[in-house]
Amino acid sequence: QQQVKQSPQSLIVQKGGISIINCAYENTAFDYFPWYQQFPGKGPALLIAIRPDVSEKKEGRFTISFNKSAKQFSLHIMDSQPGDSATYFCAASGTGSARQLTFGSGTQLTVLP
Amino acid sequence: DAGITQSPRHKVTETGTPVTLRCHQTENHRYMYWYRQDPGHGLRLIHYSYGVKDTDKGEVSDGYSVSRSKTEDFLLTLESATSSQTSVYFCAISDGAAETQYFGPGTRLLVL
Repeated sequence: QQQVKQSPQSLIVQKGGISIINCAYENTAFDYFPWYQQFPGKGPALLIAIRPDVSEKKEGRFTISFNKSAKQFSLHIMDSQPGDSATYFCAASGTGSARQLTFGSGTQLTVLP
Repeated sequence: DAGITQSPRHKVTETGTPVTLRCHQTENHRYMYWYRQDPGHGLRLIHYSYGVKDTDKGEVSDGYSVSRSKTEDFLLTLESATSSQTSVYFCAISDGAAETQYFGPGTRLLVL
């Protein structure tokens, strides 16, 4: 059962463009929504995260938009650069001692020079 | 990679053989996790640990066992490897309070 659905599977954007990746979740007990960035041959690394008490969080060129009523959240990458080419995963976790993360299936982003 | 090492980094084995993957951390974090990564599935939790000798199952635990005898080490064992266990395995750690999970570099396992 996939509790976090991510789209698109792949995305190609021109340098300077805006990249948008969307995720939807089912479990209303989720209260922490991180995005991870993964380069080939490396482990995922936290990029940015949000809690449902805010609708938007911005860190540099990266912004998370969160819609609690729709149970959706998205990652926006402004002024996309070739160095942003990577696989992006959304994730969610809820209350619980181990804070288990449920991941989306990933989006492979390619930014063309 | 936040003081996390995984060994081996690559392994080729045959169906039916036991395999043990090791995760070692130098951060003294309480929580440790094992994930597998497969195309189209993202990362799926296999097992996790919330302290020494305290472990629990994740989403895809069948065919896997874990052990944690020291804070710094978390072992994942495939008792009898199958081709469906060919995957990239990632270890992650968390101190719990910050919620952020830090991932190791991964182990690529091929079961023939």
